[in-house]
Amino acid sequence: EVQLLESGGGLVQPGGSLRLSCAASGFTFSNYAMGWVRQAPGKGLEWVSAIDNDVGSTTFYADSVGGRFTISRDNSENTLSLQMSSLRAEDTAIYYCARRRGRNYGDFDYWGQGTLVTVSS
Amino acid sequence: EIVMTQSPATLSVSPGERATLSCRASQSVSSDLAWYQQRPGQPPSLLIYDASTRTAGTPVRFSGSGSGTEFTLTISSLQSEDFAVYYCQQYESWPLTFGGGTKVEIK
Repeated sequence: EVQLLESGGGLVQPGGSLRLSCAASGFTFSNYAMGWVRQAPGKGLEWVSAIDNDVGSTTFYADSVGGRFTISRDNSENTLSLQMSSLRAEDTAIYYCARRRGRNYGDFDYWGQGTLVTVSS
Repeated sequence: EIVMTQSPATLSVSPGERATLSCRASQSVSSDLAWYQQRPGQPPSLLIYDASTRTAGTPVRFSGSGSGTEFTLTISSLQSEDFAVYYCQQYESWPLTFGGGTKVEIK
């Protein structure tokens, strides 16, 4: 059974940093591209970042987080990470880790339960 | 950036009735479109990809159609578990973008 378990969310002050992790199990992690999608309270879905499973682990970012967030993966630990810095109030959201259906596809076939990030003083 | 627009924002339907949800892209996305269902307090769940292909767990009452800029999700006979929010998403080009969602509520 595919499982994605996010951790690392919490309350952080504006300008602060936070690192989210996603532990993957139930599938061969190194064979899949992955991504992060967030959802502000009561709002819709917003794609944040994605990473391929190629040799160079090609990365992609939404304009709203580019230069502040860094996505990475550790295939030996079956873990996806999102390092977030210079956090703003508008980054407050539930952050979902999701598996992409394939490297050449950007849709997400499995999702974690999410971890809540709150940016507030 | 490709803007995805969903309509209506809210759809009131009686159980057993048909529901038709629309999604429009600001430019062609070919058939690189997915539909997701999100129930309250739950993460989204992939229903349809490539505009019209159901996932293994998607009931046959769900069908997707369209290509280019106009897409439709049809639920042929609404069941109680279908009352939820539905999102479309294009993956033809980066950045990936979602529509604003359609809430299907009980009439």
